[in-house]
Amino acid sequence: SQQGEEDPQALSIQEGENATMNCSYKTSINNLQWYRQNSGRGLVHLILIRSNEREKHSGRLRVTLDTSKKSSSLLITASRAADTASYFCATDAIKAAGNKLTFGGGTRVLVKP
Amino acid sequence: GAGVSQSPRYKVAKRGQDVALRCDPISGHVSLFWYQQALGQGPEFLTYFQNEAQLDKSGLPSDRFFAERPEGSVSTLKIQRTQQEDSAVYLCASSPRPGTDDQPQHFGDGTRLSIL
Repeated sequence: SQQGEEDPQALSIQEGENATMNCSYKTSINNLQWYRQNSGRGLVHLILIRSNEREKHSGRLRVTLDTSKKSSSLLITASRAADTASYFCATDAIKAAGNKLTFGGGTRVLVKP
Repeated sequence: GAGVSQSPRYKVAKRGQDVALRCDPISGHVSLFWYQQALGQGPEFLTYFQNEAQLDKSGLPSDRFFAERPEGSVSTLKIQRTQQEDSAVYLCASSPRPGTDDQPQHFGDGTRLSIL
């Protein structure tokens, strides 16, 4: 079963706007990761935040983590049409064999030019 | 360098047939994972290999699903007596080594399996 929920399930924005999506999870984690998936393709790793970190930046991406609320957010600033994709959070749970990942249901983002 | 390669990209089979899906991980990667992704959903864990050892198969839906990685590199996921609910995208991922906290997984483009 899925680890948790992602919110919203779908998001449509204009190019240049910011996109924010949220993720909740259920168990204690080592880290939380965000992946992007273009239609018909595999997942591409975007950013990883450790359980002892609260915020992380990578280019136009900003991730926050609140372990007390078991939630994370991903912000994409100044969005581009090429950012159109599905975005998934994934948790690496404590004691999970081999760092297996548990994914949320994803947020489908459409960036209109 | 080369990424994770999966074949075939698409597979159509009749209900009851057996299928075999192949994964070539990144060279030297110790960890290999299989995930199942239903349409519109996130991937769900199936099984995990560390080299040739299958250390976790808790996500395999039934005994019709079998995975192997005999030489610690290429892996095959086999589904016997396929059923319509097996229709999904099967994703393979690899990572360099187990036991460290902050390493991403590298995914292939998946095999889209359709059972008629």
